[in-house]
Amino acid sequence: GAVVSQHPSWVICKSGTSVKIECRSLDFQATTMFWYRQFPKQSLMLMATSNEGSKATYEQGVEKDKFLINHASLTLSTLTVTSAHPEDSSFYICSVGGGGQPQHFGDGTRLSIL
Amino acid sequence: AQSVSQHNHHVILSEAASLELGCNYSYGGTVNLFWYVQYPGQHLQLLLKYFSGDPLVKGIKGFEAEFIKSKFSFNLRKPSVQWSDTAEYFCAVTPDSGGGADGLTFGKGTHLIIQP
Repeated sequence: GAVVSQHPSWVICKSGTSVKIECRSLDFQATTMFWYRQFPKQSLMLMATSNEGSKATYEQGVEKDKFLINHASLTLSTLTVTSAHPEDSSFYICSVGGGGQPQHFGDGTRLSIL
Repeated sequence: AQSVSQHNHHVILSEAASLELGCNYSYGGTVNLFWYVQYPGQHLQLLLKYFSGDPLVKGIKGFEAEFIKSKFSFNLRKPSVQWSDTAEYFCAVTPDSGGGADGLTFGKGTHLIIQP
């Protein structure tokens, strides 16, 4: 299955800072990647679908200006949390796959906003 | 939109006990179904999947699940659990969109603890 690498694994930053999270597909060319968010002791919630070479598709209730997604190549998608605030603190996870294949997940990024 | 319900949030079993975790979904069309496991400190891993065909699917580590279309269910089973099965288990569904890529809708998860 696909190997997915996320970076960084943990980031702590001050309120108002923008934070970029990278998701790389190491052995699979992915036209589509997915970004999820997981609050403590809760399930994963799909935030958006990242589409290579075009705009991301956001789920209802997810602010596209807050969570900027760029999918410039078949192996890299980035999620930028702009002007992060404490309520944005969460666990962010990307995945690769779909389209008749199971999704494979990265290790996630724990974001803590002070 | 689809939704997934996992009935058991916390399950505690002794080693060698049999396991069944409930999962029901809500969606008006054809779906693909998954069970993922998350061991402490690790990323989500696929246990098994159902796309079509035999509704009884076998996965890794002795797990199996049965898709019962009439009940909109996809329960996970294992006849004899081990201490190493302690983990968080997530049921997930995605519409069967004929090859298109769709994100997963997850259940809230079941925290399984196996006592030695």
